[in-house]
Amino acid sequence: KAGVTQTPRYLIKTRGQQVTLSCSPISGHRSVSWYQQTPGQGLQFLFEYFSETQRNKGNFPGRFSGRQFSNSRSEMNVSTLELGDSALYLCASSSGGTSGTYEQYFGPGTRLTVT
Amino acid sequence: DAKTTQPTSMDCAEGRAANLPCNHSTISGNEYVYWYRQIHSQGPQYIIHGLKNNETNEMASLIITEDRKSSTLILPHATLRDTAVYYCIVRRSQGNLIFGKGTKLSVKP
Repeated sequence: KAGVTQTPRYLIKTRGQQVTLSCSPISGHRSVSWYQQTPGQGLQFLFEYFSETQRNKGNFPGRFSGRQFSNSRSEMNVSTLELGDSALYLCASSSGGTSGTYEQYFGPGTRLTVT
Repeated sequence: DAKTTQPTSMDCAEGRAANLPCNHSTISGNEYVYWYRQIHSQGPQYIIHGLKNNETNEMASLIITEDRKSSTLILPHATLRDTAVYYCIVRRSQGNLIFGKGTKLSVKP
């Protein structure tokens, strides 16, 4: 099976702009989670989508939003970019069942730099 | 989700077993122990997980103490490619992953 893919891999934006990142999960996986990784804060959970609905949400401001399409592909959007939004944004997919455990498989990430 | 405590860094000689400890003294009965690793600038990679029993797969073994308050990840024959940050995570079955700072494992020739 193909792994999780994220596009673009690298992005440079200016403060105040908005950005959209894309994630294609492993075929058959219905859950997509997003994480932000910075040197100072480490890996932090943003939100999880399952069957086009947000199922879990981390502690991030409303400038960070996401959505999931019927084919399980997901996008996350950051509006009014700040310098502190510079980070590696990681997407993880899993089967996302409602019971039992499920492993999350991560993509390579999108490196966002805000200038 | 329960918090975990891991050593900041560890060294291991190539070809030897790497034993990475993790304390999770406040773990609840329905929480699983997961291990991930992250090689520099790549996405985290799932290694193994367990609830009560010891687990083994092609990558590693997971030893969980009987009281479930600690666990050890064992890489049986470490290679240079195993140099990475290893994260021990405790989570409920549907909970999101809460990453700590992990253990930076350096495998040396």
